[in-house]
Amino acid sequence: DIQMTQSPSSLSASVGDRVTITCRASQSISRYLNWYQQKPGKAPNLLISAASTLQSGVPSRFGGSGSGTDFTLTISSLQPEDFATYYCHQTYSSPQTFGQGTRLEIK
Amino acid sequence: EVQLVESGGGLVQPGGSLRLSCAASGFTFSSYWMSWVRQAPGKGLEWVAGIKQDGSEKYYVDSVKGRFAISRDNAKNSLYLQMNSLRAEDTAVYYCARDSSSWDSATGFVRRLDYWGQGTLGTVSS
Repeated sequence: DIQMTQSPSSLSASVGDRVTITCRASQSISRYLNWYQQKPGKAPNLLISAASTLQSGVPSRFGGSGSGTDFTLTISSLQPEDFATYYCHQTYSSPQTFGQGTRLEIK
Repeated sequence: EVQLVESGGGLVQPGGSLRLSCAASGFTFSSYWMSWVRQAPGKGLEWVAGIKQDGSEKYYVDSVKGRFAISRDNAKNSLYLQMNSLRAEDTAVYYCARDSSSWDSATGFVRRLDYWGQGTLGTVSS
């Protein structure tokens, strides 16, 4: 199985900050990498697919990059509604696997 | 509007069974792969199983192979997860998710879980 490792596991930041979350795959997954946002008590919400394709309705302050084994999710200017947990997810091979999550908290 | 509504969760003793259902609407159900993803209390997401549009291919995470069975009824727009020989570590919120694919010019056909239900909680405890 492909292991997905996110860093950091948690992060404190302020409104307006630029934040970067990284995700590393245990083997090359090309660009078969998605990012999700999850708020407490809610289902995950797809933000980015294919490493960098922003989903419809997702604010442009979210961006994704990377290929192979190393990927990043960047939020250019944090808004209050962005404080949540973020997960990366690979679909290169079965079983699909998720990173352990990055909890983004208000400083 | 795409909607996925799970049901069937509850409390069951170790070794028991649960059958989860997911009712889909707002899209052509028979045209999509579907997946189940679970989340143990306070933990991260774990993909559990996936099924092809016509049910001819099914995939599972190793920890549930031989115990769980994914199925679908395209005439009823419904997805199912039969869970047998349940263990305490199977306690989780179970989400059904639409597993869609599209062409990406840089990568080829890419997949993502683009719509999720609200989840149903299955608790395994004596």
